[in-house]
Amino acid sequence: KAGVTQTPRYLIKTRGQQVTLSCSPISGHRSVSWYQQTPGQGLQFLFEYFSETQRNKGNFPGRFSGRQFSNSRSEMNVSTLELGDSALYLCASSRDTLAKNIQYFGAGTRLSVL
Amino acid sequence: SQQGEEDPQALSIQEGENATMNCSYKTSINNLQWYRQNSGRGLVHLILIRSNEREKHSGRLRVTLDTSKKSSSLLITASRAADTASYFCATDARLGNYGGSQGNLIFGKGTKLSVKP
Repeated sequence: KAGVTQTPRYLIKTRGQQVTLSCSPISGHRSVSWYQQTPGQGLQFLFEYFSETQRNKGNFPGRFSGRQFSNSRSEMNVSTLELGDSALYLCASSRDTLAKNIQYFGAGTRLSVL
Repeated sequence: SQQGEEDPQALSIQEGENATMNCSYKTSINNLQWYRQNSGRGLVHLILIRSNEREKHSGRLRVTLDTSKKSSSLLITASRAADTASYFCATDARLGNYGGSQGNLIFGKGTKLSVKP
């Protein structure tokens, strides 16, 4: 079974631009969660999608948004990029987070904002 | 917000030695999980312990959970150079008094383990 796939692996953007990251979950997993990882703040939860609905949201500004498609693939978008958005963005999929919540992570997208 | 706090932040040992990492958390949980991350890559799930369990084993891993102290420990026995990684605890916080999950894991900041050959 293929794992969680995130694209692209690396991105370089400049302040003010916007970016879209993509995540393909493990086949059969309907929940997709997004996390931001930085050296200072660690791993912080962004949002979770289940069956195309945002089910849970972390404490991030509205510049961070996401969506999930009918095939469970998910995208997250960051608009008006700031230097502080430089981070490793991790996507994780789970069969059912409300039951056991073991999450399977992709390799991440490393975003650098210049 | 961060729930788990790992201790120590960094640990350096020789191959063959045991490594112990601790985690503290703040709220009621459904379960606590440990993940490993190799140098800037994705996290890999290691082990899950439910709130009504006190100890769990998986290969060279031993996890304990003390819900009265809101703490957990991960012991890696007979460590190998390949165990070099960052280790994170993650809590699945309980929603309300009747169980259920808030739906997201809350991660600590991790322990960076270095195993020297």
